Amino acid sequence: SQQGEEDPQALSIQEGENATMNCSYKTSINNLQWYRQNSGRGLVHLILIRSNEREKHSGRLRVTLDTSKKSSSLLITASRAADTASYFCATDPDKLIFGTGTRLQVFP
Amino acid sequence: SAVISQKPSRDICQRGTSLTIQCQVDSQVTMMFWYRQQPGQSLTLIATANQGSEATYESGFVIDKFPISRPNLTFSTLTVSNMSPEDSSIYLCSVEGGLEGEKLFFGSGTQLSVL
Repeated sequence: SQQGEEDPQALSIQEGENATMNCSYKTSINNLQWYRQNSGRGLVHLILIRSNEREKHSGRLRVTLDTSKKSSSLLITASRAADTASYFCATDPDKLIFGTGTRLQVFP
Repeated sequence: SAVISQKPSRDICQRGTSLTIQCQVDSQVTMMFWYRQQPGQSLTLIATANQGSEATYESGFVIDKFPISRPNLTFSTLTVSNMSPEDSSIYLCSVEGGLEGEKLFFGSGTQLSVL
């Protein structure tokens, strides 16, 4: 089944820096979503971008989508220690399928 | 947004036993989803639970191993049966939400360790 591949698998940065995560997928989609998971607990929905959108913003988050390359990126600006979590992309050709995730660590 | 209460939050179980995980939603929902997240891995959908009908299982998951109940529109249980160490995972329930029902809201997860 389709699954998003995320890159990098792990990312360590200092507070105040920007963090960029990438997601690639295999087939056509209706939308792409990003979720955050803290310490192996439940996931929290961050942002949804539709297949006819190219960029979307929500607070410190910026998501881009390139359907020709079947890829998306999530940018977190001015990161904080509280942003430390795993981030997953999810795509929905039919039902949501989650990517492999990026583990982000933000050092104070 | 939906608020989902999931319990237990964690458990340590012996091989061969069964564990039932409960999920309570604060509003009525048509479908509830059960996911498994193996250590260091992504989420894999186990099954979709509709009220009043049998759950629909994904490839690789069977009812005998993961029986699901859905007695009403706010509650569901997932049982992990005859457990082995390979069943050690985080189990998560979720429901659809948002304006067009495209987002998922998750319970806090059940961290299961099988010895």
